[in-house]
Amino acid sequence: AQTVTQSQPEMSVQEAETVTLSCTYDTSENNYYLFWYKQPPSRQMILVIRQEAYKQQNATENRFSVNFQKAAKSFSLKISDSQLGDTAMYFCAFISYGGSQGNLIFGKGTKLSVKP
Amino acid sequence: SQTIHQWPATLVQPVGSPLSLECTVEGTSNPNLYWYRQAAGRGLQLLFYSVGIGQISSEVPQNLSASRPQDRQFILSSKKLLLSDSGFYLCAWSGSGNTEAFFGQGTRLTVV
Repeated sequence: AQTVTQSQPEMSVQEAETVTLSCTYDTSENNYYLFWYKQPPSRQMILVIRQEAYKQQNATENRFSVNFQKAAKSFSLKISDSQLGDTAMYFCAFISYGGSQGNLIFGKGTKLSVKP
Repeated sequence: SQTIHQWPATLVQPVGSPLSLECTVEGTSNPNLYWYRQAAGRGLQLLFYSVGIGQISSEVPQNLSASRPQDRQFILSSKKLLLSDSGFYLCAWSGSGNTEAFFGQGTRLTVV
């Protein structure tokens, strides 16, 4: 069974600084997607960034980038130039590609606080 | 464009009463559908997922059940609620290619 582990329950960062959130996963699949979701106090789940396992290049979305290490099964999120609006719960998620493997698995989340 | 509707937004129910939460998706066909529960201060727990009409996979044995009577409709039910069923319930869908999931607004359920 696939599992996703986020080992940092809470983190804080100063505004404008850079922070990295960790995520590891376990799977026997070779083709899958990885995601980072953000859940602000409004509780709406928002997709931040996604990575296809077959792509070696790390995904980037503006201030958000990932460090995807497939052999190590590691998928960390780096937030550059942190802003107050980045304060939220961040969830790492995994889904296998295609077929009947429809289950999207989440980690327990990391609560990020951006301090002024 | 695709949209997902989940209702109600909040619900207060007495212990022992039934539950029905509904989720519908528009603008896509044959989506994968999910029900998650998020207890206070905890992560998302996958409750059920469905890859097609009438196909339900249960991840955690419990007091809840799910049904998919139509392609884009996913219902979470209980015959008798327990206090421990309180939480924030999220419905989500993903495309058949298993790309990212899109979430509804969530339902905050309080069992009293």
